[in-house]
Amino acid sequence: AQTVTQSQPEMSVQEAETVTLSCTYDTSESDYYLFWYKQPPSRQMILVIRQEAYKQQNATENRFSVNFQKAAKSFSLKISDSQLGDAAMYFCACSGTYKYIFGTGTRLKVLA
Amino acid sequence: ETGVTQSPTHLIKTRGQQVTLRCSSQSGHNTVSWYQQALGQGPQFIFQYYREEENGRGNFPPRFSGLQFPNYSSELNVNALELDDSALYLCASSPDNRDTLFFGPGTRLTVL
Repeated sequence: AQTVTQSQPEMSVQEAETVTLSCTYDTSESDYYLFWYKQPPSRQMILVIRQEAYKQQNATENRFSVNFQKAAKSFSLKISDSQLGDAAMYFCACSGTYKYIFGTGTRLKVLA
Repeated sequence: ETGVTQSPTHLIKTRGQQVTLRCSSQSGHNTVSWYQQALGQGPQFIFQYYREEENGRGNFPPRFSGLQFPNYSSELNVNALELDDSALYLCASSPDNRDTLFFGPGTRLTVL
């Protein structure tokens, strides 16, 4: 069975600072992907970043980067130069054969 | 390129009624997945349709059923509604059954 755990229900960051959101996962799949999705109060889930498990290199997308530790089954998201628009729920997800397993989310607050 | 669209935006039903939610997939995507997101939780996988066939199902009872049409749009039907069915229902499409999910804005269902 797959599980995804986000142990930080809520995080706060000062505007322009850096914040790291944590995620651990467990899967029996040998071929899988990991994702971070953002869900603003408007509720549409938006893909932030994707990591292919067979790639050792950490994915980056502008101000967003991940620290993927495959052996530890850890997949954290780092947001640099935080902006007010980054405030949202962030969900970590792990893909399986046909479904994604999502964590319970981390609410990120950005303080002006 | 048109993204994933869902209708209706909001819906209020009473216990025991039936409901149909609709989803249009993103252009070029042949796979549609449905997720249920209860308040304060991460999305839970309901089922996936790939080229008009159910490709996988989560832990939901048979009163949750679906369809995918030749144009790859999809419906989610829920019979005999229960209070616990109140949730945000998210549709997501992808180019293939193991690729990145792109989510629609969701349908908020309230069961009274």
